[in-house]
Amino acid sequence: SQQGEEDPQALSIQEGENATMNCSYKTSINNLQWYRQNSGRGLVHLILIRSNEREKHSGRLRVTLDTSKKSSSLLITASRAADTASYFCATSAGNTPLVFGKGTRLSVIA
Amino acid sequence: GAGVSQSPSNKVTEKGKDVELRCDPISGHTALYWYRQSLGQGLEFLIYFQGNSAPDKSGLPSDRFSAERTGGSVSTLTIQRTQQEDSAVYLCASSLSQGAETQYFGPGTRLLVL
Repeated sequence: SQQGEEDPQALSIQEGENATMNCSYKTSINNLQWYRQNSGRGLVHLILIRSNEREKHSGRLRVTLDTSKKSSSLLITASRAADTASYFCATSAGNTPLVFGKGTRLSVIA
Repeated sequence: GAGVSQSPSNKVTEKGKDVELRCDPISGHTALYWYRQSLGQGLEFLIYFQGNSAPDKSGLPSDRFSAERTGGSVSTLTIQRTQQEDSAVYLCASSLSQGAETQYFGPGTRLLVL
């Protein structure tokens, strides 16, 4: 299965700290994406990293991709209470639907 | 429209009843996806449409589940003879095309089968 798996399942940090979430997957991919979900509702696309990229930044987000280890990490710097949500990685292998992991539940305590 | 919309937001039904869930994708998006998310779990892929056709129905959990899309726009997911294990949030997403990189999600329909 191509499915990504996030680690840890849950993470609790203080406001201002950095949060790091990891994702592992099993097969070759074209790109890997991170999504955020608040309160069990719709997901919002955060960032995409292609298989030939190693690192990407967007605001307080930093994503890395190691295709040799089939893993990615999402770093949120200077976290805020509003960052509290579930974060999912999703992998794309071309002309097939995205495959989502089970997510990491992040709690940022003010 | 401005975003993907889904209706109803919440649905409570009795075991054995049929339910229809609706998804209205972003205008111009040809690809449409249905997912199911049980409490505290990840997204389970159900089906996707490219235009009006559904090349991949392998994710549908049973023959009680069906989906259609007409006019390349609105899609309906139907669950017949609902069971308690069907209780979940049903999420719809759309993208410009099946190979497009970003999916845009609707707010979901929370289904509770009593």
